[in-house]
Amino acid sequence: NAGVTQTPKFRILKIGQSMTLQCTQDMNHNYMYWYRQDPGMGLKLIYYSVGAGITDKGEVPNGYNVSRSTTEDFPLRLELAAPSQTSVYFCASSYSDRGNNQPQHFGDGTRLSIL
Amino acid sequence: GEDVEQSLFLSVREGDSSVINCTYTDSSSTYLYWYKQEPGAGLQLLTYIFSNMDMKQDQRLTVLLNKKDKHLSLRIADTQTGDSAIYFCAESRGYQKVTFGTGTKLQVIP
Repeated sequence: NAGVTQTPKFRILKIGQSMTLQCTQDMNHNYMYWYRQDPGMGLKLIYYSVGAGITDKGEVPNGYNVSRSTTEDFPLRLELAAPSQTSVYFCASSYSDRGNNQPQHFGDGTRLSIL
Repeated sequence: GEDVEQSLFLSVREGDSSVINCTYTDSSSTYLYWYKQEPGAGLQLLTYIFSNMDMKQDQRLTVLLNKKDKHLSLRIADTQTGDSAIYFCAESRGYQKVTFGTGTKLQVIP
């Protein structure tokens, strides 16, 4: 049981490049999330999804896009990388059904540097 | 909006108890969580408590909730060097939007 898997683990990008951070989960969770973690700032929610085909903005969505074509996968896209997007990115998933809200499970993160 | 606050750093000696504190502002919080993050890793759920509970114990971990003061604490008994990590307090109102604190770095001195 792999849980939440993120790839790549590390990446260095040049300003203006684009890339996709991959996230997949094998727990049949309906909810998935993307966070960024900056030093001393905790986690900020970028986007989330309540099920396949449904996505919504979090606190800090600017500069990012997501899609959710399957229950398992929730990729995060950076179209024009900027230095402010240097961060550690975490994907998470959870199950929620009629008030039965289970805690979120996290991947190990993608460390992204924009130079 | 919701806010979750924690002290940034705590240092304890191996074998002592650690108490990590957290305050939150949302009185509608229904779930309160403690996560542990080791270097280079993601967040690992340690324990969580429903807002209608005052206390939850799980082996060396004890969570205390004071709803009146909106105060949550995590006590780790017999702290070990393997407990050194960053501990995040978080709260949600049950619809899966979770607000995280900035994390408390626990240093265990051998």
